[in-house]
Formats: sequence, structure tokens, C-alpha cells
Amino acid sequence: SQQGEEDPQALSIQEGENATMNCSYKTSINNLQWYRQNSGRGLVHLILIRSNEREKHSGRLRVTLDTSKKSSSLLITASRAADTASYFCATDGYKLSFGAGTTVTVRA
Amino acid sequence: DTAVSQTPKYLVTQMGNDKSIKCEQNLGHDTMYWYKQDSKKFLKIMFSYNNKELIINETVPNRFSPKSPDKAHLNLHINSLELGDSAVYFCASGPGQQYEQYFGPGTRLTVT
Repeated sequence: SQQGEEDPQALSIQEGENATMNCSYKTSINNLQWYRQNSGRGLVHLILIRSNEREKHSGRLRVTLDTSKKSSSLLITASRAADTASYFCATDGYKLSFGAGTTVTVRA
Repeated sequence: DTAVSQTPKYLVTQMGNDKSIKCEQNLGHDTMYWYKQDSKKFLKIMFSYNNKELIINETVPNRFSPKSPDKAHLNLHINSLELGDSAVYFCASGPGQQYEQYFGPGTRLTVT
């Protein structure tokens, strides 16, 4: 079974709005990572947050981690058409375990 | 320069054939991976190599055989292809198991 599960499965927003997606996982982690996949492309690493961190920022991205709830969120602020993609969370272990992703569509 | 490259990008073949996918990384990473992404976008690890040694071998049919001639290359050979092997296969590399991974562009395999 997948370790990380993203929610919602799909999200459609207007350009300029914020997009928030969540990830829940089952077992203890050392870190949690977020990746983006544009249609027909490979995954691109966005951000890694360690288990002793609660929040991390990278440009328009903000990631939070709540280890007590075994959940993480990814916020994309001021979305652009180029943010249209699938977003995956991945938790570490002896292997990275990916969820099924949240598909984000940003409408112009 | 492309960090992680795969060839071919598309592969269409008939059932029963044998095919190979090649992967190369120029990032100097010690660890390389093969993933399979199905039509529902689930990404599952198949194999992981660290410095040419196999360290992860998930439940994958033994028709799939990875080969790492050196730490910059990890190839995937598939024997007796089946319809269910149709998927996108991604190669990735990284500095270690608990760090970020860098993915190749993927190889879309279609078995007819």
C-alpha cells in the first residue's frame, strides 16, 4: 500500500489564487518530500522537510509538517498557469514511498 | 547538460519481445533507482542500486533485470514482455536513501 496519500485528488483554481493540498502517511518518518510532475515529464523535487521541522518555505511554496497527526500540507501561493501539474508527497524509509498525487489545474 | 537521461523516450513493442531501457546520470550520485508509473499515476519503486550494488529489489517479476555497469548507469532489461508491462518507467538518482531524488524524463513503454 502507498505510504503517502494526497488529498484532494484534483484541484482546479483561478490564476492568482492559492492552492493547498495535503498528505497523510502511516509510519514514522525522517523526512517528507514534495515533488511536481508536469504532464509527460519526470518528477521534479520541490522541497524536503525533516521530521524535526514544522514549516519550510521555498519561493511561493510553503510546506508544513505535523508529525503528531502524520500529515503535511503544501501551499502554492499566487498560482500561475505553469503550476498546472500533479503534486506528489513521498516519505522516506528504506525506500521513498509516493502517493497517487494531487492534480492541480490553474485556469487563466 | 541533462542530469538524468533515459533512452528511448518511447518504446512500442509486441508481446513476447525482449527490450532494454538505458539510464545515465551525470550528477555523481551513488544511488540510482527504477520506478514504474501506471496509468493511475501510482509510482512504485522497482529497484535501487548503490555504487553498483543492488539494495532494493521490490516484488517485481524476474523478467525484469537491472544492470549497473558503473555507478553512473543503470539499465533495465525486460524479457518476454506482457501487456501489463505497459507503463511509464522512470530512472532516478540521488545522494542516498533519505535524500531528494532526481528523475529522468521517463520511457513510455507500450506492449501490443
